[in-house]
Amino acid sequence: GAVVSQHPSWVICKSGTSVKIECRSLDFQATTMFWYRQFPKQSLMLMATSNEGSKATYEQGVEKDKFLINHASLTLSTLTVTSAHPEDSSFYICSASSGLASYNEQFFGPGTRLTVL
Amino acid sequence: AQTVTQSQPEMSVQEAETVTLSCTYDTSESDYYLFWYKQPPSRQMILVIRQEAYKQQNATENRFSVNFQKAAKSFSLKISDSQLGDAAMYFCAYYRSGNEKLTFGTGTRLTIIP
Repeated sequence: GAVVSQHPSWVICKSGTSVKIECRSLDFQATTMFWYRQFPKQSLMLMATSNEGSKATYEQGVEKDKFLINHASLTLSTLTVTSAHPEDSSFYICSASSGLASYNEQFFGPGTRLTVL
Repeated sequence: AQTVTQSQPEMSVQEAETVTLSCTYDTSESDYYLFWYKQPPSRQMILVIRQEAYKQQNATENRFSVNFQKAAKSFSLKISDSQLGDAAMYFCAYYRSGNEKLTFGTGTRLTIIP
């Protein structure tokens, strides 16, 4: 099956620093990648959708200057949390899909837990 | 906008018994897909089952089956012969064809009682 990895799996940083999270599709080419945020005991909230070589499309209420997304290749997307603050602490999950069918299954990464002190 | 509602924040079931998780959704679209995802303590999202809206037949995957009522916009998940490994958060999700985005419900935490 399709495998998506995330790195790091967890990160602790100081307030004001920037953190980069990588999402890789290991055995397929991901034309589209998605970034989700999940607070404890809550659902996944889509933050943005990125297509390879294009600017990401952010959901309403998500600050694009704070959450920088780059999808430079068909196997890698990165999410950079700039000037992180404690309220940015959360679980970040990426997913990836390929193809142009009416339905393209999303394959999820294992997630990254971010703690901002 | 599409919404997905899971009215049961928590459910529990005795091991080997059957449990049904509820999900309702709201859409004006005719071409869409519905899913149940499992999120165990590891937090890895796992696709449990998928239903295409144009199919009348309910999807089944081994011990997992759905009751898809399109007119009522209801999509419940039945887990038969519950096992300890079924303990997880279960999310119902909606996908509009061509839109790419998944809309998730709030989740149901399923506990299996040995």
